[in-house]
Amino acid sequence: GENVEQHPSTLSVQEGDSAVIKCTYSDSASNYFPWYKQELGKRPQLIIDIRSNVGEKKDQRIAVTLNKTAKHFSLHITETQPEDSAVYFCAALISGNNRLAFGKGNQVVVIP
Amino acid sequence: GAGVSQSPSNKVTEKGKDVELRCDPISGHTALYWYRQRLGQGLEFLIYFQGNSAPDKSGLPSDRFSAERTGESVSTLTIQRTQQEDSAVYLCASSLLIGPPPDGYTFGSGTRLTVV
Repeated sequence: GENVEQHPSTLSVQEGDSAVIKCTYSDSASNYFPWYKQELGKRPQLIIDIRSNVGEKKDQRIAVTLNKTAKHFSLHITETQPEDSAVYFCAALISGNNRLAFGKGNQVVVIP
Repeated sequence: GAGVSQSPSNKVTEKGKDVELRCDPISGHTALYWYRQRLGQGLEFLIYFQGNSAPDKSGLPSDRFSAERTGESVSTLTIQRTQQEDSAVYLCASSLLIGPPPDGYTFGSGTRLTVV
């Protein structure tokens, strides 16, 4: 089955710096990769996603890049702000199934 | 509705009791998912309903766990003879299948279950 791993588990950055979280997946047939943000005590919310026919997608300060050959995708947050502090989950669509396999999450802490 | 609604938001129960957790998906969403999230942990898949197909129950941790869904509406997750290790936030999500791949999930706020 699909195995999704996230690195690093915890990331601390100074406000204004960039943060990068990387995920690897095992199923080469996976073709959809969303990222979710979960603030403390709240529900996970979709922040950006990418499909396998593109290599990069950007939305304001957030971008996701996909390397299908290496089977990894990354979340990039630029000009980080305190409200970016949260747990970020990556996921990959399980091929032949309509559900997502989630990574274990990354705790991002933005230091003011 | 406007979002995925779960009830109750919090539930405290005694060990050995049965509990029922409810999820109202977004209207028209054909797929519904249950996940469990223990404190500080990731999202553990439990069960997945897709339209009228047989549910994918591969994530249910034991036969004490079961779930039902009526058509494309409400789902109920039942935990029988609760144990302390069942304490967690139970998250429901729904998605609209518009052809592969599906859109991302929309999560509910979850039910925080505490077994004492």
